[in-house]
This record gives sequence, structure tokens and C-alpha cells, in this order.
Amino acid sequence: EDQVTQSPEALRLQEGESSSLNCSYTVSGLRGLFWYRQDPGKGPEFLFTLYSAGEEKEKERLKATLTKKESFLHITAPKPEDSATYLCAVLGYGQNFVFGPGTRLSVLP
Amino acid sequence: DAGITQSPRHKVTETGTPVTLRCHQTENHRYMYWYRQDPGHGLRLIHYSYGVKDTDKGEVSDGYSVSRSKTEDFLLTLESATSSQTSVYFCAISESQLAGDDNEQFFGPGTRLTVL
Repeated sequence: EDQVTQSPEALRLQEGESSSLNCSYTVSGLRGLFWYRQDPGKGPEFLFTLYSAGEEKEKERLKATLTKKESFLHITAPKPEDSATYLCAVLGYGQNFVFGPGTRLSVLP
Repeated sequence: DAGITQSPRHKVTETGTPVTLRCHQTENHRYMYWYRQDPGHGLRLIHYSYGVKDTDKGEVSDGYSVSRSKTEDFLLTLESATSSQTSVYFCAISESQLAGDDNEQFFGPGTRLTVL
């Protein structure tokens, strides 16, 4: 059974303090690993797709990396507007999309 | 933003009444999904569709049914709502489920359903 865990559950950073969020997964063949951002009261907003180990993608202050067992979302010099819940999901060959519980990020000014 | 709308956005109903939620897309994507999101559980798949009149169950399908008579519309029905179905419901779409091929999902704004 495909599974996704995320850590930490919540993270509080000062503005400018870089850090990383972790997504660990087990999947029967990976068709894609996805990162989303979700603001309170809104639907998840797509950020990145990673397809194979070693792949990296960047968008503004965010960088996502992928290994065979986990993915990291690196946040460089975060700003208060980066505060949100970040969700990780996998699509494997055995099942449909499986989401992790998310990491709640707060960036304090 | 992907063209996905959900209606209604908020609904309060009573136990035992039928409820239908609608998802409408303007992207002509093949796949459509219904999720529920609850504290402590994250997003869980209820049902999904891979084409007109082609649907399948997800992780938490008991008590829910779906229909897709047109590419752009995907309906979620609670035949007899229960308090345990109080949740936020999200519709999502994707072009593909193939590896490495535009298989990311895009989500609608959500429907907050309260069953009293």
C-alpha cells in the first residue's frame, strides 16, 4: 500500500531563516511526486512534480528534490507570505494519488 | 488558474437528507476526482472518473456515489447524509495518470458541508 508521511507537522521560522520540509514515501513504482501549497479556506495549489530520483525543480524561494525514498522542499530566505500548509502526494502504479498530512509553515516577520 | 468551479461553496443540511455537490471544469481534462479533507486525515480520495460514465471507488467511498454524464461535470451525491460526512470536499482534475506526462492534479476551491 502506498504511503506518505511528512515532517515536521508544524514549523515556525523567522523571516529569512532557511529550512527544509520532508516527505517520506513508499510506493509501488513512482509515476510522480507532487508538492502543493494550501492556504486556509482554499484548495491546494500545485507547485512541483518530480518524476525520478535526482531530479530537482525550483520556483522563487522554493526548491524540491527527490530521492528513492523521500523528497525535500527547501525554503530559502522565507517571507511571511510563504506561510501555508505544504502537502506532498505520490502517484504510484498500484493506487491512485495518496496525500501526506501536510506541514504547517509559519514565517514570522 | 485551472478552470474548476464547485457548487455550492457552503451547505448546511440535516441528517438523512440527500445532498449533491457539483464540480465543473473548463479544461477538458480526462480525469476528475472528489476528495474530502478532515483534520488529522489530510486529503482522502472518495471517487474518481477517467472518462464520461467511467468511474471508480477511492479510499473512502462508502455512503457516496458519483456520476459523470459530460466531460466537464462530475457530481458527488450523499444519498442520506450523516454527521460523519461533515467535511470540506474538494474536486480535482488531471490530464493524465501516465508517468512523466502532465499528471499533476489541479484543485477547485472546495465545498464546506455541515450535516446537523
